[in-house]
Amino acid sequence: AQSVTQPDIHITVSEGASLELRCNYSYGATPYLFWYVQSPGQGLQLLLKYFSGDTLVQGIKGFEAEFKRSQSSFNLRKPSVHWSDAAEYFCAVGEQAGTALIFGKGTTLSVSS
Amino acid sequence: GAVVSQHPSRVICKSGTSVKIECRSLDFQATTMFWYRQFPKQSLMLMATSNEGSKATYEQGVEKDKFLINHASLTLSTLTVTSAHPEDSSFYICSARAPQSNYGYTFGSGTRLTVV
Repeated sequence: AQSVTQPDIHITVSEGASLELRCNYSYGATPYLFWYVQSPGQGLQLLLKYFSGDTLVQGIKGFEAEFKRSQSSFNLRKPSVHWSDAAEYFCAVGEQAGTALIFGKGTTLSVSS
Repeated sequence: GAVVSQHPSRVICKSGTSVKIECRSLDFQATTMFWYRQFPKQSLMLMATSNEGSKATYEQGVEKDKFLINHASLTLSTLTVTSAHPEDSSFYICSARAPQSNYGYTFGSGTRLTVV
């Protein structure tokens, strides 16, 4: 069965510093991969997704992620973090188009000034 | 862009009563919607897949008789928590795939259910 692992429960980054959130997945074929952000008490906002093609994906708010098949990873990056980026970040995997997403446990990002 | 509207955003109900949560796709038709449950500081757990015009598919461990799902039209799915108990208190989120967003999954804003 497919699964998603986000190894870091909580990360604190200084404002202006770079960010990398890790995500590893377990799935036999090429999965559909997603990163979502959730503010407290809110729904989820899609940051970016990967279905196929270029393995470096650009998203909203200056985020990007790179699909590495050899490492079964889809890490999220941002070159310069803003205080407003503090939130919960979820990596998710879809088995194929149309099925429900499976989520990782999430990483809480705190931004220090 | 694709919008999924979820209502209500917050609800408090007494133990033993039923609560209905609505999930609407505003600018697209959703033949399939997904319902998730999220406990505080935890991830989203899939409860069921809602299919328009047919019975929902529930995940293992989810009580079908407690969490009634109806998907009567291409733009509306409802989740009814029947005979609610305090342990049903949680954050419920619906999701649908929208063609106009290249089939990205769009999520509702969630419903905070508190059973007292």
